[in-house]
Amino acid sequence: ETGVTQTPRHLVMGMTNKKSLKCEQHLGHNAMYWYKQSAKKPLELMFVYNFKEQTENNSVPSRFSPECPNSSHLFLHLHTLQPEDSALYLCASSQDAKGLYGYTFGSGTRLTVV
Amino acid sequence: QKEVEQDPGPLSVPEGAIVSLNCTYSNSAFQYFMWYRQYSRKGPELLMYTYSSGNKEDGRFTAQVDKSSKYISLFIRDSQPSDSATYLCAMKGGSEKLVFGKGMKLTVNP
Repeated sequence: ETGVTQTPRHLVMGMTNKKSLKCEQHLGHNAMYWYKQSAKKPLELMFVYNFKEQTENNSVPSRFSPECPNSSHLFLHLHTLQPEDSALYLCASSQDAKGLYGYTFGSGTRLTVV
Repeated sequence: QKEVEQDPGPLSVPEGAIVSLNCTYSNSAFQYFMWYRQYSRKGPELLMYTYSSGNKEDGRFTAQVDKSSKYISLFIRDSQPSDSATYLCAMKGGSEKLVFGKGMKLTVNP
């Protein structure tokens, strides 16, 4: 399998649940990102990892907890979310953290918080 | 003023039309300019990439950057129903993060 793969594609969770989103890239890239995409808003950068180290946390609430065990895998752990957290969560990767030649995105996880 | 402004549309055109999509920006440090295409239920995919000013052509697609006006454009010639998607502009300086527009939803009607 090639590119950036995200699972699950869809997720419905209650506000008291704990769930995790998974991202895997087969491109040999060293930087990985989590983005939130909501209707009629620009993509919102959440977290950046470069060589497994977190280099940016864009003031994301602590109910979102990222984990990067290696350069190919990225997780987003979710707990006690709010309905306004419902959105498409996109994972992306780039050759390096400068990302001068753009990012490769996965298909996203459509999250609904009820 | 937002860093990147993009009219979210939607835009509906007949098949074969020439489509013009635009973004303006305020940060003069931006040097790398990209257009992403996002089909429904998919992630964005890189469509065009331009460094600094000038034009770049790839098949039916042309990207233009006018740094003096802080304005970038994507032209689609002979538009096809398969071009129906959301188009996002994105740009960055050398060490800054990639900044995206809101995305313009395009529908090409057969």
